[in-house]
This record gives sequence, structure tokens and C-alpha cells, in this order.
Amino acid sequence: GAVVSQHPSRVICKSGTSVKIECRSLDFQATTMFWYRQFPKQSLMLMATSNEGSKATYEQGVEKDKFLINHASLTLSTLTVTSAHPEDSSFYICSAEPQGLREKLFFGSGTQLSVL
Amino acid sequence: AQSVTQLGSHVSVSEGALVLLRCNYSSSVPPYLFWYVQYPNQGLQLLLKYTSAATLVKGINGFEAEFKKSETSFHLTKPSAHMSDAAEYFCAVSEPGYSSASKIIFGSGTRLSIRP
Repeated sequence: GAVVSQHPSRVICKSGTSVKIECRSLDFQATTMFWYRQFPKQSLMLMATSNEGSKATYEQGVEKDKFLINHASLTLSTLTVTSAHPEDSSFYICSAEPQGLREKLFFGSGTQLSVL
Repeated sequence: AQSVTQLGSHVSVSEGALVLLRCNYSSSVPPYLFWYVQYPNQGLQLLLKYTSAATLVKGINGFEAEFKKSETSFHLTKPSAHMSDAAEYFCAVSEPGYSSASKIIFGSGTRLSIRP
């Protein structure tokens, strides 16, 4: 089956530093990828939709200057948390929609970010 | 607006016992409904989905769910739990005929533990 690789699975960083999370579709091309975050015991919330070759679309309340998304190729999207603060500590997960197969979603295994 | 509520953040059953994970939805139109499973250190996988065809939907690994409009429910069941079923389960809802994953709304998840 289709695989989405998300890296790193866990990261601990100091407050004020930036962290980059990668999301790769390993055996299919994805023009659209999605980034979510989940706080403990809360729902998986969509942060932004990443479109290959164009700017990401952010959900209301998500700071685009803080959560930089780059989707430079059909198999890779990155989320950079800039100047991270403890309140950014969360579980981040990506998903990818195969090109030409818009009702299928494949998820990465998530990244647990802890900001000290 | 659409939403899903998963009752119980943690469910524990004995091996061989019935698994019942509850999900109630809210939608102004007949929705599409999904159950996803996340095994440790893996991405979310689609277990099954309801798209207005048969109300009883069979998924992978022996799971099934029944759409009950009168109860606005889409509970997930499995007759006999196996140790390998231990995972996090997410219920999700979307508008019918959804063409983008950005329309999917996730529940907060239920962690299923299996006792030997």
C-alpha cells in the first residue's frame, strides 16, 4: 500500500529555535498534502493545505509566518515551526492525497514536538 | 457545521471480548463517515467508510460499523478482540461527495487497550 514517511518522529528543542518536519510520499505523487496538529485528548485539527508549486492555504487562526510550509516537489512537503515556544508543543501529522485519486488519504506517523 | 464526538478516550477490553467504540456525529446534511486506526509509530489507516450505500459497513481486520441516522451514530465494533487491535481509533466526518481531505473533521480519538 501507499506509504507516507514523516520525519522526525520525535523532537525536543529549546524555546526560540526552529524545527523542520518532513513529509514524503514514498510511492506516489501528491499535489496536495495536509498538515494537522493534535493537543492531548483533543481532535486532530487541520492547520493547512499544502499545494505543490504554490502557497499553502492556512486554516483560520493558524499563523502562516510561524508555521512555514513548503511543497517544492510532488513527493515532499515540509513544515517549519519558527521560533518555537512551549505552547507549540504538540503532535503534528501530515497526510497526502495521491495525484488523480482525490478520495484517498494516506497519513504519516506523526511528529511529537516538545519545546522546552 | 459538522462535528464528531467520540465517547471515551480510553477503552479496555479482554482478548476475545466484544469491541465497541462509540462515535456520534452532527451534520446538517447526510454525511460521509470514516473510522481510521493508528497503530504505534505508524500513520493513520482507513478502516472503513460510509458513503450512503449500505448502512452496515465492513472494514479491514474484522471491524464493522453501522450508520444509524435516528441515533446520529456510527459506532465501530468487532466481535472478538485480538491483542493486535490495540491502537488509537479516530472517527471522522465529511460532507458527501467530498473532493478534498480538507473537508474531513476528526474526533479526538479513542485508545483501545486489550487485556490478555
